[in-house]
Amino acid sequence: NAGVMQNPRHLVRRRGQEARLRCSPMKGHSHVYWYRQLPEEGLKFMVYLQKENIIDESGMPKERFSAEFPKEGPSILRIQQVVRGDSAAYFCASSPAGASEQYFGPGTRLTVT
Amino acid sequence: ELKVEQNPLFLSMQEGKNYTIYCNYSTTSDRLYWYRQDPGKSLESLFVLLSNGAVKQEGRLMASLDTKARLSTLHITAAVHDLSATYFCAVDGDSNYQLIWGAGTKLIIKP
Repeated sequence: NAGVMQNPRHLVRRRGQEARLRCSPMKGHSHVYWYRQLPEEGLKFMVYLQKENIIDESGMPKERFSAEFPKEGPSILRIQQVVRGDSAAYFCASSPAGASEQYFGPGTRLTVT
Repeated sequence: ELKVEQNPLFLSMQEGKNYTIYCNYSTTSDRLYWYRQDPGKSLESLFVLLSNGAVKQEGRLMASLDTKARLSTLHITAAVHDLSATYFCAVDGDSNYQLIWGAGTKLIIKP
């Protein structure tokens, strides 16, 4: 059973470009969470999704950030017009329905130059 | 505001010593999670504590939960270098899917 998969693992973007981060949850998991981690800091919740539904996006910046989890395919975290402050590690986690323990992917390290 | 506070935030210790990391939280959660993160890596689940008085042990690590005091401890016995990592605790937030995270305790164990 493959774990949570994220790609790319490292992403470099220039200011103003778009960043697309992908997350495939563990098999059998229907819940996906995205977190951001700045260097030397803890995790900050961004968004919680189920298939085709955004359940809670209270941690997402209001502008430039969006997330989706389509019926088919991975969950996507999209950051438009990236700025230097978006540089961080973005982790995806998944859980099965009805469970709160989350399993984390390897993360995508975004660097904005 | 829901808070999870860990202390210490940084700990440097010698191999063979014992130490405890503390996690205080302000929610009424009955569940607490401990995760480990190695530098540049993802988070690995260590323990899930589900009720007051829960105690779990894995190797040199032991975690306990006191929901009345809203306190969890992660105790390290006879530390070895391989345990060097950052340890995070987290609790359920207002919604049972959202975890509230501590800032992490960076543990360095010197040979």
